[in-house]
Amino acid sequence: GAGVSQSPSNKVTEKGKDVELRCDPISGHTALYWYRQSLGQGLEFLIYFQGNSAPDKSGLPSDRFSAERTGGSVSTLTIQRTQQEDSAVYLCASRGYGGQETQYFGPGTRLLVL
Amino acid sequence: GNSVTQMEGPVTLSEEAFLTINCTYTATGYPSLFWYVQYPGEGLQLLLKATKADDKGSNKGFEATYRKETTSFHLEKGSVQVSDSAVYFCALSTSNFGNEKLTFGTGTRLTIIP
Repeated sequence: GAGVSQSPSNKVTEKGKDVELRCDPISGHTALYWYRQSLGQGLEFLIYFQGNSAPDKSGLPSDRFSAERTGGSVSTLTIQRTQQEDSAVYLCASRGYGGQETQYFGPGTRLLVL
Repeated sequence: GNSVTQMEGPVTLSEEAFLTINCTYTATGYPSLFWYVQYPGEGLQLLLKATKADDKGSNKGFEATYRKETTSFHLEKGSVQVSDSAVYFCALSTSNFGNEKLTFGTGTRLTIIP
């Protein structure tokens, strides 16, 4: 079946603009994660959604970052007033229900803030 | 908190050489351990995993054994191929109210020369 998809694959924006990144998880997967891969920080957790539960936002680096998941499926990560340090690859992963299930990653969105 | 320390790269080997990439971890609770691989131009893929002490994960000729006494999960392969050239990430997860977010090491870039 289809894997995790993300769009756009690349995004170039100007400092101060808002951006939206989209993730379509694997059908039926209840858990969804956002991670960021940057040169300075490596791979780091941002936010976690599980079903209808309140998301775990503990990894979001600032209040400029937010995410939502509509209908328990598609998720959008929004970065407001982008800064150059937001430049990174944003990865989405989804996981089936239950413990120790594998997380499947999407190809990522490469964000460049000029 | 959780952390993963892995061997700094880059690592360059000749084809058919023996590979070891070291990984040690610090975790609260009982983590599951993973090796993810990122081939050039592709997304993160799970290579192998182990969910409890003394388990051995294996895939595509790669192996890693969960060593609780040394808090290690070293990746090994007896004879590497050019196609193994990629970036390898060691990672762990512990369940926190169902959030099995991954904590990653910094990644090791492996290049195999013919």
